[in-house]
Order: sequence, then structure tokens, then C-alpha cells
Amino acid sequence: QSALTQPASVSGSPGQSITISCTGTSSDVGNYNLVSWYQQHPGKAPKVMIYEGSKRPSGISNRFSGSKSGNTASLTISGLQAEDEADYYCCSYAGSSTVVFGGGTKLTVL
Amino acid sequence: QLQLQESGPGLVKPSETLSLTCTVSGGSISSNNYYWGWIRQPPGKGLEWIGSIYYSGSTYYNPSLKSRVTISVDTSKNQFSLKLSSVTAADTAVYYCARRVVATGNHYFDYWGQGTLVTVSS
Repeated sequence: QSALTQPASVSGSPGQSITISCTGTSSDVGNYNLVSWYQQHPGKAPKVMIYEGSKRPSGISNRFSGSKSGNTASLTISGLQAEDEADYYCCSYAGSSTVVFGGGTKLTVL
Repeated sequence: QLQLQESGPGLVKPSETLSLTCTVSGGSISSNNYYWGWIRQPPGKGLEWIGSIYYSGSTYYNPSLKSRVTISVDTSKNQFSLKLSSVTAADTAVYYCARRVVATGNHYFDYWGQGTLVTVSS
């Protein structure tokens, strides 16, 4: 069970859109539509932003959206705001009630 | 509002066993729709899933840690616990407990504790 692959960092200006990729294998991302995305601000616990690939929990802005193609899931944040600056982690179901996280991506709002 | 709170020693000696407890308040740990789990984060690094438990006692572990991990549940106290044996400096991390939704086939973490830093050092 290897960690999912995410870019170490992405950046964008306020108002722009960015996309963070999360690449797994046919044993996790590719085999299940069960990727979740978490936002983590420094010193804080992670917060779920997307689950089941593209669903948003109550209270999460519709600026956050998720998708998947093959073994790669993606998180898109539109209309970037300063408060979106944080670390983002993907997580996929990997069978037998196990899950695997990505390495994390640091989002910088320029 | 559901709350999770980790507790346990912040310093553990190498080769010893790390022990943490998560106390759940504002809801019952004995629910069909959730697993209860542990995730850790070494300083400056990413998240790593350690394992999860169902209120019935069924456990699920990260294969890379399975030989050293034991997760247990005490439904009478609304708590679940983590034991990690033979620790080394590489086990130094912030340890989070979290609720994992498993209803309707989902698998995601919706409530997290604040995290507790455990340092492995002599």
C-alpha cells in the first residue's frame, strides 16, 4: 500500500482556479469512486472538503469540486481566496476496509 | 456536536509502547455507520492512516504498521485506544483520532480530534 502521489505545491492568484491531482493505482483510486479531500491549516486538524469523489459536505463552498479519471483524482478550487491557502490531502479507499492518503500539496495564494 | 479528544503521554522512550486514548463525546461510539480510527502526521510531513475499529471490535490496520499496532474499543466509556509497540524516532508525530463514515459504502473522515504530539526520545 503506497501513498498516493500529489504535487508538492501549487499556487494561484486570488480569483483564479487551481487543480490538485492525486494519482494512485488500479487497486485504490482507479478501482473505487471513494476519494476524499482534506484541507489542513497550520496547527489544525484536517477538514473534509470532498467525499465520494465529488460530493461536498454541508457547509463546504461550491468553489470546491472533485473529479476522477482512471487512476487520477483531482480537486479543483475556483475563485481562489486567501483563506484557501493550506495543505490539501487526498485519501482513497483501498479495499478490505483500508484507506491510503496522498503525500499532500501546499497551496499558496499569491 | 460530536467531539473527539486524544489523551496520553507526550514522550515515549525508544523500544517502548506508545499508548493513546480517544474519548468521544456528543455521540455514541456504538453506531452501525462509523469506524473509529487513528491517523498520524510526522512533523512537517503528510498524513498516514494507522488503523480503524468498529464498535463490535473488528479492526483494520495499515499493512505497513500492522505488526506493531493494536486498536481496541471500550463502548462503556465511549473510548477507543491505540497501542504502537517498539517505537523509534520515526514514530514521532502528531496523532489524530477521527470518525470514519462507512455508511452507504462511503469511507471518509468527518470528525477529527485536535491531535496530540508524541515524541519518541530517551
